[in-house]
Amino acid sequence: GAVVSQHPSWVICKSGTSVKIECRSLDFQATTMFWYRQFPKQSLMLMATSNEGSKATYEQGVEKDKFLINHASLTLSTLTVTSAHPEDSSFYICSEAIESIQYFGAGTRLSVL
Amino acid sequence: GNSVTQMEGPVTLSEEAFLTINCTYTATGYPSLFWYVQYPGEGLQLLLKATKADDKGSNKGFEATYRKETTSFHLEKGSVQVSDSAVYFCALLNAGGTSYGKLTFGQGTILTVHP
Repeated sequence: GAVVSQHPSWVICKSGTSVKIECRSLDFQATTMFWYRQFPKQSLMLMATSNEGSKATYEQGVEKDKFLINHASLTLSTLTVTSAHPEDSSFYICSEAIESIQYFGAGTRLSVL
Repeated sequence: GNSVTQMEGPVTLSEEAFLTINCTYTATGYPSLFWYVQYPGEGLQLLLKATKADDKGSNKGFEATYRKETTSFHLEKGSVQVSDSAVYFCALLNAGGTSYGKLTFGQGTILTVHP
């Protein structure tokens, strides 16, 4: 069964609004979660590493103030896309690492109008 | 830095055909290697893995062998099915440095299998 639950699976929002995506660990306590972005027909781009109880570590070129990550508990990490614009439309995927294997959520398709 | 290069797609096959998707990598240290599969509209699922040289990962009829001498991890299946249609990603787990614990993905290969 699924190890990671990601919600929502699809969201449409107006330009300028903020959207929160949740990633829950179902079977384990996830000290570390990862957030990726995937453009159509392209590979996954790591955005940030989310660590429980501390600030997320962002990859180079990813705007920290645009993509807010919170990992307040061992089972929940959230990604908030603030003041979303059409160029933020993408497929966002989270994962958790368990003994060197990453288990992925089903992804969230964000469409910004 | 570490990198993964996959065979360019898309790949189109008839059912029961033999499949090979090439994957080569560049890495420092001794990374673990993975194949992930992504079905339409879904996240990635682990297909198979290998953690050291000469290891063979296998699952659902798919196989891949960790070849250190050729820095390769090619994915093979003897007889594909329509249900194997998906995007396949080769990935390595960075074994050290500032990217320790992070996955580096290839660009993905789209596989379409026709009846």
